[in-house]
Amino acid sequence: QITLKESGPTLVKPTQTLTLTCTFSGFSLSTSGVGVGWIRQPPGKALEWLALIYWNDDKRYSPSLKSRLTITKDTSKNQVVLTMTNMDPVDTATYYCARTGATWDFQHWGQGTLVTVSS
Amino acid sequence: SYVLTQPPSVSVAPGQTARITCGGNNIGSKSVHWYQQKPGQAPVLVVYDDSDRPSGIPERFSGSNSGNTATLTISRVEAGDEADYYCQVWDSSSDHPGVVFGGGTKLTVL
Repeated sequence: QITLKESGPTLVKPTQTLTLTCTFSGFSLSTSGVGVGWIRQPPGKALEWLALIYWNDDKRYSPSLKSRLTITKDTSKNQVVLTMTNMDPVDTATYYCARTGATWDFQHWGQGTLVTVSS
Repeated sequence: SYVLTQPPSVSVAPGQTARITCGGNNIGSKSVHWYQQKPGQAPVLVVYDDSDRPSGIPERFSGSNSGNTATLTISRVEAGDEADYYCQVWDSSSDHPGVVFGGGTKLTVL
């Protein structure tokens, strides 16, 4: 059974750096073809892809947020970490991590974590 | 960057067929995935690679993709199908390949 769970702060102040951790089980990020991505969703709005990391440490970022994002993995801990710098109230959203398939479909999702940016 | 266009809303009576479109330039050349999201829940993959269904997804959910439009079809719509639906592709055509989501469609069951 594949599960993913996001963790991190629920409240961050403007200009701070957000660090979110995705802890997963049921698969290995050292298996060829496997990837884990981050997606966010502001309240009442659409899904927005943020970043993706593959088994071979290849990384992809949303062009509009690339300068603020860093994605890393710790295969031994079954974790993927996303950092986002210079947080702003518009970054208030539910942040999801999800496992990708061979054609970049997000087959399994975490429950999401709501992050509020406010002073 | 690649853009996916979905109608904001679709309404259908129970038992009827709902069709949700996803428009994109030459989307027929890409693999399209569809997600269902109910309020307060994470998205669920309902169709992948244009027309395949993950295990556990009813056969009432089907997909097609050709030209500039992909379509999610829900047959014999039930009240429980009321949700937001998102299409998604991998865009490899730009200098920065990545995931693209449509703006979402709210399906209302009348």
